[in-house]
Amino acid sequence: EQQVQQSPASLVLQEAENAELQCSFSIFTNQVQWFYQRPGGRLVSLLYNPSGTKQSGRLTSTTVIKERRSSLHISSSQITDSGTYLCATMSNYNVLYFGSGTKLTVEP
Amino acid sequence: DPKIIQKPKYLVAVTGSEKILICEQYLGHNAMYWYRQSAKKPLEFMFSYSYQKLMDNQTASSRFQPQSSKKNHLDLQITALKPDDSATYFCASSQGQYYAEQFFGPGTRLTVL
Repeated sequence: EQQVQQSPASLVLQEAENAELQCSFSIFTNQVQWFYQRPGGRLVSLLYNPSGTKQSGRLTSTTVIKERRSSLHISSSQITDSGTYLCATMSNYNVLYFGSGTKLTVEP
Repeated sequence: DPKIIQKPKYLVAVTGSEKILICEQYLGHNAMYWYRQSAKKPLEFMFSYSYQKLMDNQTASSRFQPQSSKKNHLDLQITALKPDDSATYFCASSQGQYYAEQFFGPGTRLTVL
């Protein structure tokens, strides 16, 4: 059973629309880290969020640890936002457990 | 200017052979990790090192052996390669081994024929 679930699996937006990506986890954690994976494979850390809300530019992450969920909000999407967004929860010893990702496509 | 270097970027090997994947980080971090991403599967944790000591190993097979010759190096030796080992292998690092943000290298894509 996968410990980290992400939804939706894929999402298609028109440019300038907003996106809401969801992450739920079955294991206890104190930290959630969101990544962007480029077509090509490289992972880029977007937000590292222990709890509450954290913002970076057009990205906002909201994590509620006791409810075992986190979300990533992307505002005013751009074509260059296309790619896969990964949610990962962190164990006590800094092991990251990843979800399968949400594949985002932003069209003109 | 890449801060985490992985070499090579692509690697093709034959079944039964042995390969070493290289990882160097220039972030001044003291913890390093290996993850694997196989086709159609989520990224999965393999090893973690802190100050060149093994902290956690969630790899079932002893064919995978990390090697840390320097604080900022964590190589991955894979012996007796199998086609199922085909995957992209990512190295990561963090400052601290407890609840510390991790940064990833570009990955090495391994194909075993």
